[in-house]
Amino acid sequence: KAGVTQTPRYLIKTRGQQVTLSCSPISGHRSVSWYQQTPGQGLQFLFEYFSETQRNKGNFPGRFSGRQFSNSRSEMNVSTLELGDSALYLCASSLAPRRYNSPLHFGNGTRLTVT
Amino acid sequence: AQTVTQSQPEMSVQEAETVTLSCTYDTSESDYYLFWYKQPPSRQMILVIRQEAYKQQNATENRFSVNFQKAAKSFSLKISDSQLGDAAMYFCASFDSGGGADGLTFGKGTHLIIQP
Repeated sequence: KAGVTQTPRYLIKTRGQQVTLSCSPISGHRSVSWYQQTPGQGLQFLFEYFSETQRNKGNFPGRFSGRQFSNSRSEMNVSTLELGDSALYLCASSLAPRRYNSPLHFGNGTRLTVT
Repeated sequence: AQTVTQSQPEMSVQEAETVTLSCTYDTSESDYYLFWYKQPPSRQMILVIRQEAYKQQNATENRFSVNFQKAAKSFSLKISDSQLGDAAMYFCASFDSGGGADGLTFGKGTHLIIQP
């Protein structure tokens, strides 16, 4: 069974641009969560989607958004990029939403560098 | 809000020895879950072990076991017979199954070095 696939693995963008990251969950998984990992702040929860609906959102500005498609694939978008958005963005999928303690399976992440 | 604290930025252990990674947490909820994740250089977060707060028995997965002290809000990970492949960043995480369900709360991580 294929794992969680995130594309691209690396991205370099300029301040002010926008970026879209993609995540394909494990087959059969309907919940997708996104996390941001930086050396300073560590791992922080961005949002969770289940059945194309955003279930929860972390404490991030509105520049961070996401969506989930009917095939459970998810995208996250960051608009008006800032230097501080440079981070590893991790996607995780699970069978059910987090409140049911369904185990998370993480992808290898997308490394975003903003210059 | 939950907080998770890992007080050891880096730990080093000889191959085949035992090492314990520390973690403390704070939550006001009575129903929660605790996890240890491993992140090797490949960047993928891998679940090592998990513990339900309502279970008194410490979880064990092969060479990995936890010491869960609920009253002290402590959740340490013991790795026995350390192997070179255990070298990675280890993150302690908690999840509160209450109405908020804001995702996992992670500690800052402990970098584990295995000396051959």
